[in-house]
Amino acid sequence: NAGVTQTPKFRILKIGQSMTLQCTQDMNHNYMYWYRQDPGMGLKLIYYSVGAGITDKGEVPNGYNVSRSTTEDFPLRLELAAPSQTSVYFCASNELAGVTYNEQFFGPGTRLTVL
Amino acid sequence: TQLLEQSPQFLSIQEGENLTVYCNSSSVFSSLQWYRQEPGEGPVLLVTVVTGGEVKKLKRLTFQFGDARKDSSLHITAAQPGDTGLYLCAGDPSSNTGKLIFGQGTTLQVKP
Repeated sequence: NAGVTQTPKFRILKIGQSMTLQCTQDMNHNYMYWYRQDPGMGLKLIYYSVGAGITDKGEVPNGYNVSRSTTEDFPLRLELAAPSQTSVYFCASNELAGVTYNEQFFGPGTRLTVL
Repeated sequence: TQLLEQSPQFLSIQEGENLTVYCNSSSVFSSLQWYRQEPGEGPVLLVTVVTGGEVKKLKRLTFQFGDARKDSSLHITAAQPGDTGLYLCAGDPSSNTGKLIFGQGTTLQVKP
């Protein structure tokens, strides 16, 4: 199992550009999440999904969009990049069934800089 | 809004010293997790505590969940340079969405 994979690992955008951050998991998890982490800070939830075709906003959704057409993939879209979106983005997944007590499995992150 | 506050935010100690990191909230959580994150990587789960008053040990790390399930602590005995990293606590508000509330993290630096 590769777990949770994210691409790209690094990206520099100019203000106003758009891009899609890719996230794929091979654990057949229904639940997937996108977080951003600013320097020296914890994780803030952007969007999450409880299954294919179902998404919902987290704590900081403005400026982002998501889609979930398959169980495996959960891409995050930035339409008009702004300097405030400079951050490290993490994708995570989990499965609430059983006794996992909500452990989340994280990808390696995408470091995004908007100039 | 449920919040988790960690303290201290930054800790720099010498190898062999002991330390405790705290994670506090005014809200009750059904479970609380501790993650460790190394530079350039995603967080990795260390432990989950689910019962008020529960104590779990992982080698030199001791985790405790408060009796009222509103707070937790992580104690490291005889810290080693390999313990260096960002420690995050995360609470499950039991909203059945799988969402976790994360603290802002504690950056630990253990100097040889």
